[in-house]
Amino acid sequence: KAGVTQTPRYLIKTRGQQVTLSCSPISGHRSVSWYQQTPGQGLQFLFEYFSETQRNKGNFPGRFSGRQFSNSRSEMNVSTLELGDSALYLCASSLERGYTDTQYFGPGTRLTVL
Amino acid sequence: AQSVAQPEDQVKVAEGNPLTVKCTYSVSGNPYLFWYVQYPNRGLQFLLKYITGDNLVKGSYGFEAEFNKSQTSFHLKKPSALVSDSALYFCAVRDPNHYGQNFVFGPGTRLSVLP
Repeated sequence: KAGVTQTPRYLIKTRGQQVTLSCSPISGHRSVSWYQQTPGQGLQFLFEYFSETQRNKGNFPGRFSGRQFSNSRSEMNVSTLELGDSALYLCASSLERGYTDTQYFGPGTRLTVL
Repeated sequence: AQSVAQPEDQVKVAEGNPLTVKCTYSVSGNPYLFWYVQYPNRGLQFLLKYITGDNLVKGSYGFEAEFNKSQTSFHLKKPSALVSDSALYFCAVRDPNHYGQNFVFGPGTRLSVLP
């Protein structure tokens, strides 16, 4: 079974621009979560989508948004980029039959904001 | 609120020696606990999890972890470390009593296995 895929793997943007990242979950997985990883803040939860609905949201400004499609693929968007948005953005998917399910991570998208 | 602590930023061990990476947690109910490993420029890879049952959990690549409810700990262990185990290790917790709560990750511990 193919793992979680994320595109693109690397992105360079300038302040003020917007960016869209894509995540394809493992086949059959219905939940997709997004995390931001930085050296200073570690892994921070952005949001989770399940069956096209945002089920949970972390403490990030409204510039960060996401959506999930009917095939469970997910995108996240960051508008009006700031230097502090430079990070590794990780997507994780799970079956979500219950709370015991494991999240499986993609390789991440490295975003650099100049 | 649930939280996870990894008290050591870095752990160094010699190849062939046993290794321990520490994790303590705080949740209101019975926790679901996970360990992940991250290699450079890669995503997180799942190692093992504790849900219920036997306190000693065995996982991938020879790793195991021991759940200790009284000490609220879930330390990761391996009897004989390999240089290839050098990576960043994350402990994570999920509290089933808080519907909609996602995973909370610890800050990570960098493991260096010296040849």
